[in-house]
Amino acid sequence: GAGVSQSPRYKVAKRGQDVALRCDPISGHVSLFWYQQALGQGPEFLTYFQNEAQLDKSGLPSDRFFAERPEGSVSTLKIQRTQQEDSAVYLCASSLLGGGEGETQYFGPGTRLLVL
Amino acid sequence: AQSVTQLGSHVSVSEGALVLLRCNYSSSVPPYLFWYVQYPNQGLQLLLKYTTGATLVKGINGFEAEFKKSETSFHLTKPSAHMSDAAEYFCAVSDRLDSSYKLIFGSGTRLLVRP
Repeated sequence: GAGVSQSPRYKVAKRGQDVALRCDPISGHVSLFWYQQALGQGPEFLTYFQNEAQLDKSGLPSDRFFAERPEGSVSTLKIQRTQQEDSAVYLCASSLLGGGEGETQYFGPGTRLLVL
Repeated sequence: AQSVTQLGSHVSVSEGALVLLRCNYSSSVPPYLFWYVQYPNQGLQLLLKYTTGATLVKGINGFEAEFKKSETSFHLTKPSAHMSDAAEYFCAVSDRLDSSYKLIFGSGTRLLVRP
C-alpha cells in the first residue's frame, strides 16, 4: 500500500519567503509527527497531531513555524519569513493509533529545504 | 531530559564481517527503543524496536539488538555485513511517560562496507 508521501521533495527559497510543506500520511493513521533533520544530524521533533488536534508543538523553533491538520489527514507545515538556519530536511511520520506503547512511526521521504 | 548517544559517527567494516553499532540512552526509566536506517534521499525505515518482553529483538535484513537495562544500552548487530547495508543508522527512544510519543534520535552512525 501507499506509504507516507511529502511534497515538494525539494524547495529552494529566498530568505524572507514563506514556504508550505505538505504531508500525506498513510490512510487511516491517527497520529502525525513532523521532524526537522539538519545536515549530519538526527531528526528533531517539531510537533504532533492526533487526528486534527495539535497536542504538542513544543519542538517548533519559533513562531515563524506553524503546522495544521484541519481534517485529520493531510498536514501542512508552514514556515514564514524563512531564514538560512531553516535549511534542513523536514520529515513527516504517521502512526496507526495514538502513538503510544512504542507504536511504529512510518516516515516519508522528506522535503529538503534550502534557504538562500 | 532523554538523550541518546551513538558512539562513532562512522563505522567501516569489510563485507562479511560483524557489524556492531552502539547506542546508549540516558533515562532511569527504560524507554521504548528503536533502530532506523536511512538510505540516501530516502526516509527512515524501521529496522527493529523494543517495547517489552524478550530483550533480544530481531529485525529486518538480519539485524538484531539487545536491550541491556544495567548498561542502558541497545546496540545493533549483524553477523555478516553486506554491501547493501551501507547507510546511515539512527537509534531512537520514546519516553514511556511522554504523552506526545515523540522520538528522540541519536546523531547517527554512517556504516561503510568495504568489498
